Amino acid sequence: KAGVTQTPRYLIKTRGQQVTLSCSPISGHRSVSWYQQTPGQGLQFLFEYFSETQRNKGNFPGRFSGRQFSNSRSEMNVSTLELGDSALYLCASSLLGTSGPYNEQFFGPGTRLTVL
Amino acid sequence: AQKITQTQPGMFVQEKEAVTLDCTYDTSDPSYGLFWYKQPSSGEMIFLIYQGSYDQQNATEGRYSLNFQKARKSANLVISASQLGDSAMYFCAMREGDGGFKTIFGAGTRLFVKA
Repeated sequence: KAGVTQTPRYLIKTRGQQVTLSCSPISGHRSVSWYQQTPGQGLQFLFEYFSETQRNKGNFPGRFSGRQFSNSRSEMNVSTLELGDSALYLCASSLLGTSGPYNEQFFGPGTRLTVL
Repeated sequence: AQKITQTQPGMFVQEKEAVTLDCTYDTSDPSYGLFWYKQPSSGEMIFLIYQGSYDQQNATEGRYSLNFQKARKSANLVISASQLGDSAMYFCAMREGDGGFKTIFGAGTRLFVKA
């Protein structure tokens, strides 16, 4: 079974631009979560999608948005990029059966975004 | 508020010895899952082990075991017979929610295995 894939793997943008990152979950997984990882703040939860609905959101400004498609693929968008948005963006998928939070998440390799 | 604390920024262990990585958590939700992930220098997050809040037994996965002490709200990871390939960053995480789940991570512990 193929793992979680993220594209692109590396991205360089300039301040003020916008960026879209893509995540394809493991086949059959319906929950997709996004995380931002920086040396200073560590791993921070961005949002979680399930069946095309955003069910939970972290403490990030409105410049960070996302969506999920009917095939469970997800995209996240960051508008008006700032230098502080430079980070590794990780996507994770989980099966999310009736046991709820007991399903482990499987992470993709991440997209490393550099904002100049 | 939900919180995960890993108090050991860095740890050294001799190859073939066991090591314990500490993790404490705080939540008011009775239903939650605790996870440990390994992140090598390549960046990918590798799932190691999980413990559900209602599980009576400590979780084990090969050389990894989770020392779950619910009353103390601790979920320490024990790695037995350390290998050089175990050198990596280790994150403790807690997943909870009702209708929408979020996972919060600790700051991580960097483990160095010495030959």
